[in-house]
Order: sequence, then structure tokens, then C-alpha cells
Amino acid sequence: GQNIDQPTEMTATEGAIVQINCTYQTSGFNGLFWYQQHAGEAPTFLSYNVLDGLEEKGRFSSFLSRSKGYSYLLLKELQMKDSASYLCAFMDSNYQLIWGAGTKLIIKP
Amino acid sequence: IAGITQAPTSQILAAGRRMTLRCTQDMRHNAMYWYRQDLGLGLRLIHYSNTAGTTGKGEVPDGYSVSRANTDDFPLTLASAVPSQTSVYFCASSDSIESPLHFGNGTRLTVT
Repeated sequence: GQNIDQPTEMTATEGAIVQINCTYQTSGFNGLFWYQQHAGEAPTFLSYNVLDGLEEKGRFSSFLSRSKGYSYLLLKELQMKDSASYLCAFMDSNYQLIWGAGTKLIIKP
Repeated sequence: IAGITQAPTSQILAAGRRMTLRCTQDMRHNAMYWYRQDLGLGLRLIHYSNTAGTTGKGEVPDGYSVSRANTDDFPLTLASAVPSQTSVYFCASSDSIESPLHFGNGTRLTVT
């Protein structure tokens, strides 16, 4: 079967670094996506990993290990506007996205 | 501004009524999708269309239907609404099935 898991909620301090983990199980894999979703708004695309390793994009980085079924999103120099839910999703062998329930990130001053 | 427009923004609907949620994109994307988002659950795919003229069933298609008569429009119809269809509905599009999704702002539907 297929499944995906990420923590429900995390809290971090403004200016700090936070790592949001995502684990998945699937027999077919075509990449992993991270999206950001502010409360009451639509998800917006953050990153895509299909090969192992780290992809850096400004303050945000995403890591993938296909052998471990593991990804993380790293947010540096946290700002209050980073308070949001972060959704991970992998693309299966049929190119369908399987979504985690999202991690709500709370930033405290 | 290019993007996806969904209508209505929110709706309260009596059970048993028929309802069509509208979705229009102006990015000329080939693929379009309808998701529902419920508290504590990941986004769940209802129906999708890889290109104009074709549609497919997602994870939770029962009670919903779609059409894709042209590239831009992808309406979602609830033939006879039930309370379990209370949810936030997102329409999305992508240039190809492997590309990142662009989402509309969602429709908050309450079925009473």
C-alpha cells in the first residue's frame, strides 16, 4: 500500500531554523513536492525533489532520500509570515499525488 | 493576472440540491484537478483531466461529476448534495501531469 506521514504541528521561534519531516511508503515513485498553505488560502508550490539530495531555494531547502522514503523541508531565518501549514506529497507510479495531512507551523516572537 | 478562478467562494446548500462549482484557468494548462480538503486529512483527488475532452476518477469520485469541454473550464457538479460533502474544494491546474500544481482560492461548501 501507499502512505505518507508528517507531524501535525510544530512550534519554532522567529529567526530560528526548523526542519519538517515527511516519510512515505510506495512501490512507485515519481518525485516529492512541498507546498505552503496559509490559513484560509490555497496551497502554493515550494519545492520538488525527484533525485536524492538537497535542493536549496533561498531560505527554504528540501531534502530527499528515496531509499529511506524520507524528505524534509528546512526553513531558515524564520519570519512570522512563515506561520502556515506545510504539505508534502509524493507522486506515485501513475503520476497521482498522494498528500500528507500537513504540518501546521507556529512561529513565536 | 494569470491564474485560476473558482466560484462561488462559499456556499450553503440544502441536502438533495444540485450544485456546480466553477473553475476557469487562463494559463493554457493541459491538466486540471478537483480536490477536497477536510480537517486532519490530506488533499483528496475527486476527478482530474489530463487534457481537454478527457476526464478520470480520483480517490473519492462518488457523488461528483466533471466535464472538460475546453482547455480553460473544469466544472464540478454535485448531483444531489449530502452533508458528508461539506468541505473546502480546490481546483488546480498544471502544465503537465509531472508539473507543480497551481491552485484556485477554493470554495467552502456547507451541506445542511
